[in-house]
Parts: sequence; C-alpha cells; structure tokens
Amino acid sequence: DGGITQSPKYLFRKEGQNVTLSCEQNLNHDAMYWYRQDPGQGLRLIYYSQIVNDFQKGDIAEGYSVSREKKESFPLTVTSAQKNPTAFYLCASSIWGDEQFFGPGTRLTVL
Amino acid sequence: AQRVTQPEKLLSVFKGAPVELKCNYSYSGSPELFWYVQYSRQRLQLLLRHISRESIKGFTADLNKGETSFHLKKPFAQEEDSAMYYCALLGHGGSQGNLIFGKGTKLSVKP
Repeated sequence: DGGITQSPKYLFRKEGQNVTLSCEQNLNHDAMYWYRQDPGQGLRLIYYSQIVNDFQKGDIAEGYSVSREKKESFPLTVTSAQKNPTAFYLCASSIWGDEQFFGPGTRLTVL
Repeated sequence: AQRVTQPEKLLSVFKGAPVELKCNYSYSGSPELFWYVQYSRQRLQLLLRHISRESIKGFTADLNKGETSFHLKKPFAQEEDSAMYYCALLGHGGSQGNLIFGKGTKLSVKP
C-alpha cells in the first residue's frame, strides 16, 4: 500500500556480521527515524534525520550507523559492535515535528 | 527531562466494559500528545492526537494539565480493540521534534 516500506521482513545474522536494513518512503517527508522495539521497553530512538545528508544520534545509537543520501531512503546498519541486536526494528517518516508514519518493521535475529 | 509513563503493561477487560489506558507525561510547557496503536500483525499507526480533539473508533483522550495526564478512554470495549497502545509526547529542547514514547500497554478484551 505504498507509503513507507521496510525490507526484509525477517533477517538472520551471524555474530560478527554487519547487516543493513532498508527503509524507503514515498510520502515526500523530510524527516525519517529508526526505532528499536523490545517487549516491555516500548520504542527507543536509534537515529533520526531531519533532512537529506544530515542525521543525529538518538537514545541508543551505539552499534548502529545510518546514511541519508536520498530523501526517500534511510538505511540502518547494525554493526558487530551492537551487543544485543536481536529485536524488531521500525522505521518512520514525518513532516518534522508532526505525526510519524511507520513501516511494517524488520525482525532481526542473531544466530 | 521529558518523559512519558504508562503504568500498566497489561490491561485485561471484558467486552462491553469501560476501558481506560493511563498516560502521564513530564513536561513543563504546553504538551502535544499522541496515542498510537499496534494491532496484531499490523504496523504502528496513529489513533488520535489531542489537538484534533477527535473521537476515533470510540476512543477519546483528554489532556489534564493539572495532573499531567492524557488517559485514553472508551466506554464499551470491543474484542477488536485488543492491541498494543503507546502514548507519545512531542519533544522540545534537546528532543525537539522527536516523539518520546511510553513503554506501552497491551489491552486484551475478552469475550
């Protein structure tokens, strides 16, 4: 149904590997976000980007990296430095300071 | 620090009973607050925001600045209301423009 998409839906990673999660939006939003969702923890902000070629660390950025080369795309790399990467990852986009629209999520499992 | 507290991890009610999901916030200025809902196998989506003063799917939420609360209410719960509910506060200062989420309340409506 368009809007904001994430791929893949499920991702498996071996310890020590980096993996990249994709997030694309066609809503013409300037701002994009990455959250991590764990049971009982709610949504915790990893990184956000207000505009192309700019991004800021959120509350739990250690072990993650992002890029924002295009307005439509905000990929997240989970590096081997992330100690506990198994989680559900949500991407969102918005007009800055307004309602956020969420993607369907990627479930990452470290084997 | 700006913070959102949802004191109940799980709330279980019977169909037709009233339901109230609690949300308290900490912010000294005029808050902008949201309720998001995540149904099983669906993406997180906006349920309502206090500035719109709408009633969505029979849910309402009133801002009480004196009690710093934004509780979500519905007079007669339905089974299809079973979902995860998150309260969120639009951040200011260092969190300018970001949403600060509570840890969520899982609502279970029993037949």
